Amino acid sequence: GEDVEQSLFLSVREGDSSVINCTYTDSSSTYLYWYKQEPGAGLQLLTYIFSNMDMKQDQRLTVLLNKKDKHLSLRIADTQTGDSAIYFCAESTPDILTGGGNKLTFGTGTQLKVEL
Amino acid sequence: DAGVIQSPRHEVTEMGQEVTLRCKPISGHDYLFWYRQTMMRGLELLIYFNNNVPIDDSGMPEDRFSAKMPNASFSTLKIQPSEPRDSAVYFCASRGHLLNTEAFFGQGTRLTVV
Repeated sequence: GEDVEQSLFLSVREGDSSVINCTYTDSSSTYLYWYKQEPGAGLQLLTYIFSNMDMKQDQRLTVLLNKKDKHLSLRIADTQTGDSAIYFCAESTPDILTGGGNKLTFGTGTQLKVEL
Repeated sequence: DAGVIQSPRHEVTEMGQEVTLRCKPISGHDYLFWYRQTMMRGLELLIYFNNNVPIDDSGMPEDRFSAKMPNASFSTLKIQPSEPRDSAVYFCASRGHLLNTEAFFGQGTRLTVV
């Protein structure tokens, strides 16, 4: 079955780069996502990458995908205190149970703490 | 659309009481998910529905938990009887059918069982 794993905590200093890692097990993943959860709020989509891509860049965010190793990472350049949040990776896989294509599996989340 | 709407935002109840959490997904979305978030275990998928039909409830912790989706615009998650270890934030999310569509989350219900 699907399994998405992340480390629970990451602490960085303001201005440094943050790298949040994620591993997944389902090789049929089609899209992989990064969500952000700020305190007291629900999850919001940050960015996503299609499984046939290696890299995607969006301003301070860089997503790297190593499909062979089933490893996904999110790099945040010049990390700011406002980046403190929980970051979730998620994979979208074909839903065998429904015959459709929309099962979404989340990791447990990585809490990023940005220190001054 | 106002997004995914959950109610109540906060619920405090005594052990042994029945608790019902409610969710209104985004109109037109085929999928609805219930998640539970705790500090110890992170975000856990409890159950998800496709076109109002429960597809996978393997994440539901035990028989005290049940979920229904009587129509496309409403779902409930019920805990009966509630226990202190059920204290968590419960999220509902909905998503369209296409593979690359994002899941939209509600604000969550913070449940405290004392």
